[in-house]
Amino acid sequence: EIVVTQSPGTLSLSPGERATLSCRASQSVSSSYLAWYQQKPGQAPRLLIHGASNRAAGVPDRFSGTGSATEFTLIISSLEPEDSATYYCQQYGSSLYIFGQGTKLDI
Amino acid sequence: QVQLVQSGAEVRKPGASVKVSCTASGYTFNRHLIMWVRQAPGQGLECMGVTNPGGPYTTFAPRFQGRVSVTRDTSTTTLFLELSSLTFEDTAFYYCARFSGDSYSFDYWGQGTRVTVSS
Repeated sequence: EIVVTQSPGTLSLSPGERATLSCRASQSVSSSYLAWYQQKPGQAPRLLIHGASNRAAGVPDRFSGTGSATEFTLIISSLEPEDSATYYCQQYGSSLYIFGQGTKLDI
Repeated sequence: QVQLVQSGAEVRKPGASVKVSCTASGYTFNRHLIMWVRQAPGQGLECMGVTNPGGPYTTFAPRFQGRVSVTRDTSTTTLFLELSSLTFEDTAFYYCARFSGDSYSFDYWGQGTRVTVSS
């Protein structure tokens, strides 16, 4: 069974800074199924990145994703206050979809 | 436009069952899988299962098997997630989300249904 681990658990940064969020899988996974979601308090999750590096429709270009095999990264190049949220990565395994535990980003 | 609209909040006693609906619109219903996600208070996202609406056929996570089912109203584009033998630990938000075969990800989400288990 694939385990997806995110780090750090919490990240506190200032507007304009760069955020680097990590997602690690316990075994090599397909980049095609690696997605990142943003969730703000009281809201449903929102798709940010799919296929490890492709921005979803309407997502600002300050969000980018990289990685392959077991190591994936979400980068927010210049933080805006509205980027405060919890970010989850998701991978596919055993006919189900596995989420990491999330990284809470405070701006 | 694509929408997933879920039923309203529910309160149940321990041991009871709850049924959450997810009504889809704006796309061909049978062509997209639906994922069910649970989020306990202050916790992360957990995939409960994935439904093929054409059956409906659902693959459930092992920890939910035996007390969860998904049915469909065949006259509409509505799926129902039913969870039985509720315990306090089932208190959570429940979401449905649509799978996109183009992006291999979940591109549209319902607004969530809060289920509270309380004696």
